[in-house]
Amino acid sequence: EFVLTQSPGTLSLSPGERATLSCRASESVSSSYLAWYQQKAGQIPRLLIYGTSSRATGIPDRFSGSGSGTDFTLTITRLEPEDFAVYYCQQFGDSRWTFGPGTKVEIK
Amino acid sequence: QVQLVQPGAEVKKPGASVRVSCEASGYTLSDYGLTWVRQGPGQGLEWVGWINTYLGTTDYAQDLKGRVTLTTEASTNTAYMDLRSLRSNDTAVYYCARVFWDDLGNYGVDYWGQGTLVTVSS
Repeated sequence: EFVLTQSPGTLSLSPGERATLSCRASESVSSSYLAWYQQKAGQIPRLLIYGTSSRATGIPDRFSGSGSGTDFTLTITRLEPEDFAVYYCQQFGDSRWTFGPGTKVEIK
Repeated sequence: QVQLVQPGAEVKKPGASVRVSCEASGYTLSDYGLTWVRQGPGQGLEWVGWINTYLGTTDYAQDLKGRVTLTTEASTNTAYMDLRSLRSNDTAVYYCARVFWDDLGNYGVDYWGQGTLVTVSS
């Protein structure tokens, strides 16, 4: 069974700090097939990053994605107040698209 | 502008079926893929399936195979999700969302409907 694992489950940081979120796959994922989403409480998900490192339209450059194979990372260089939310990675491999369980970024 | 319009809520009894619609505007449904994602109360995102709206081919989450069917209707630019034999743990918000791929073959889901709350309760 293909699984995406995200760590940490919760990240407690202050505005202005750097956030590093990890997404690990149980099998290798093509870099074209890895995306990241942000979801705030009561809102729909928003696409941040697709193809591992391409920012979606309108996404500020403090968000960046990297990685390959089974290990992928979302980095937020300087947290703004509006960045505190839950972040999900997703893979589009074969016929088994999957979301990770999410990382909650909360205000410390 | 691109919009995906879904009904707000459906209430069904266990064992029943539900059809959730997703009307696209601002683009032609067959020009992009369409995926369905659900989110149980206080839970994360769970992929339900997707339809290649041009070819009409579908893929479904293993856990839901046999109970879910995705279709589209070109004349109304609308997609549908049918879920059968409903159980209490199918209670969730069901989102439809547009799938795109760029010239390099990078995939993403860029526009989301507001979601339909499907409640399964006796």
